Amino acid sequence: DAKTTQPNSMESNEEEPVHLPCNHSTISGTDYIHWYRQLPSQGPEYVIHGLTSNVNNRMASLAIAEDRKSSTLILHRATLRDAAVYYCILSGNEKLTFGTGTRLTIIP
Amino acid sequence: GAVVSQHPSRVICKSGTSVKIECRSLDFQATTMFWYRQFPKKSLMLMATSNEGSKATYEQGVEKDKFLINHASLTLSTLTVTSAHPEDSSFYICSAARGTGDIQYFGAGTRLSVL
Repeated sequence: DAKTTQPNSMESNEEEPVHLPCNHSTISGTDYIHWYRQLPSQGPEYVIHGLTSNVNNRMASLAIAEDRKSSTLILHRATLRDAAVYYCILSGNEKLTFGTGTRLTIIP
Repeated sequence: GAVVSQHPSRVICKSGTSVKIECRSLDFQATTMFWYRQFPKKSLMLMATSNEGSKATYEQGVEKDKFLINHASLTLSTLTVTSAHPEDSSFYICSAARGTGDIQYFGAGTRLSVL
C-alpha cells in the first residue's frame, strides 16, 4: 500500500477551522483517500473519503490536490469532541493500513 | 445507520484460557469483517479479513490457530483467542463493511487483559 505522511500532532482553538494535511506522493490512480479518526479507548470512526474531487459531508470536507499527491481534511468549526487521532489512509482494495496519524488537541 | 456492536468491552482472564469476542453489524449486512489489534500508544494492525461463509485470510505473522475467526452469518463474526497469554493482552477492534472496498464501520473495541 502507498504510504501517507501526517504531522504527529496539531493544536487548534475551539470553534475555529482545522486543516489537517496528508502527503501521499506515491498514490496510485486507483487509490482512494480515506480519513478515519479515533477517540481515546474507542474504535475508529469513518470521517470522509474521496478519489479525485473535493468532498463534503456533515462531518468534514476533503480537499484533494490536483496531482493527488496531497490532501487536507477540513473541520469547519472544531469542538472539544473533535479531539482525536486522525488517520489518512490510501486504499485501492478492501484493506485499510493505519499509520500513526495526527493527534489533534482542541484548546477551549 | 451502520452500527457495529462489539462484546465484551473488557475481559480479564487467566493465562491459558480462551476468550471469545463477538462483532455484530446491527443494521446492515456485512459481507466482509476485519479484526485489528492495537497495543498501547500504537496504531491499529490488521490481523485478518473474513468473508461470510469463507475461511478468514490472516495477515503475515498472525497465527491462525491461536486467533480463530468465524464469520458464520452476514451480521456476526467472532474472534477466539485460544490459550491466551499475557503477551496477547491488547485492544482488539473489529470492523464491518457491506461489500469489498466499502466504508468500514468499527466496533468500540475489546480490551483484553491476560493475567
